[in-house]
Amino acid sequence: DAGITQSPRHKVTETGTPVTLRCHQTENHRYMYWYRQDPGHGLRLIHYSYGVKDTDKGEVSDGYSVSRSKTEDFLLTLESATSSQTSVYFCAITAGGNSYEQYFGPGTRLTVT
Amino acid sequence: AQSVTQLDSQVPVFEEAPVELRCNYSSSVSVYLFWYVQYPNQGLQLLLKYLSGSTLVKGINGFEAEFNKSQTSFHLRKPSVHISDTAEYFCAVSENSGNTPLVFGKGTRLSVIA
Repeated sequence: DAGITQSPRHKVTETGTPVTLRCHQTENHRYMYWYRQDPGHGLRLIHYSYGVKDTDKGEVSDGYSVSRSKTEDFLLTLESATSSQTSVYFCAITAGGNSYEQYFGPGTRLTVT
Repeated sequence: AQSVTQLDSQVPVFEEAPVELRCNYSSSVSVYLFWYVQYPNQGLQLLLKYLSGSTLVKGINGFEAEFNKSQTSFHLRKPSVHISDTAEYFCAVSENSGNTPLVFGKGTRLSVIA
């Protein structure tokens, strides 16, 4: 357990509404990531952060924005949710030192109707 | 940019039989390699990793993987599977410059049959 929590764990929302998912970590890790998981696609990177206020886009960033105003929280926002954004969203952090592996949160299942 | 190909989307195997889950990668730079497991309705758990050194890497739950640079492969093996190994397995790669995002394969669903 790398001290990662995600909220909410489940959410159903309507097309066109804004949605914010939160990732919270308790161990002061610098690097944080948001992935989405879809059947047949594995996990794909949405955005990542390498420090407070430092973020970059991933493979599937269209329609998503992120913010990181403090080390422990990394927020993912869907400005106007679409049905194609129905997915399971995972937050991850990189372990410290020279280990480089990523540890994942429990996931958020988002359904856009 | 890196890419990962998991050659089998589904692998059924009988309990106590050996299994190999295949993973090939493509990259223009040196890489780190990982295998993750996802049990039903759960998050991802690291099975093992290759950073450098010995090309045979041992992980948790009796799994091991071998890095083959010439074949750009990182196949996962277990000599005798259990029902509890039924899960989805993901191979992932990152640049070996550290802390770069992972690129995942599409996953292999391992089903262990009693």
